[in-house]
Amino acid sequence: SYELTQPPSVSVSPGQTARITCSGDALPKQYAYWYQQKPGQAPVLVIYKDSERPSGIPERFSGSSSGTTVTLTISGVQAEDEADYYCQSADSSGTQRVFGGGTKLTVL
Amino acid sequence: EVQLVESGGGLVQPGGSLRLSCAASGFTFSSYEMNWVRQAPGKGLEWVSYISSSGSTIYYADSVKGRFTISRDNAKNSLYLQMNSLRAEDTAVYYCAREGGAVAGLGDAFDIWGQGTMVTVSS
Repeated sequence: SYELTQPPSVSVSPGQTARITCSGDALPKQYAYWYQQKPGQAPVLVIYKDSERPSGIPERFSGSSSGTTVTLTISGVQAEDEADYYCQSADSSGTQRVFGGGTKLTVL
Repeated sequence: EVQLVESGGGLVQPGGSLRLSCAASGFTFSSYEMNWVRQAPGKGLEWVSYISSSGSTIYYADSVKGRFTISRDNAKNSLYLQMNSLRAEDTAVYYCAREGGAVAGLGDAFDIWGQGTMVTVSS
């Protein structure tokens, strides 16, 4: 079955830039989406269609795509950004949705 | 207010069944594709199933195919997940999630999530 690969953890100091990658063979063909999940809460969409930001999401959140890898970038990280981040996409047929394993962002 | 509210979770023995419901409000439910996503305790998100806006197209993750059935009643603004032959590894919080699709211009993003309902499979 199709898989998306994320690093388990990323750590940054406040004010620095955090980059979280997600790799998958079908990413050149399928859009990627990013979700933020804080403990005890439902996930929240932060990036859609690789690089678009939903209304209400701070400008410090951005997304990019290159080949089989997509990247979530958080510029000027704040303490409130500490959370788990998941990428999501679909297999090449577009039928099976899939999530990456998640990346825990720690703000030092 | 756009909202999804899940219900029906609980404790069930291995091999048992459970039916989850998701009540939608604040938007035209019949226009949107819907999904179920689950999260085992301390683990990541796992997509479970998808249903098109009309209910005519359905997909399942391999882990639940043949045991779970997704359905919807657009007249009642409700989404369902019938879970049979439950296993310990099905223990998780189950979320219903709206797929933004062309209506919201968000592609296949899961733009609205419920708060989740806990399913525990244990003897």
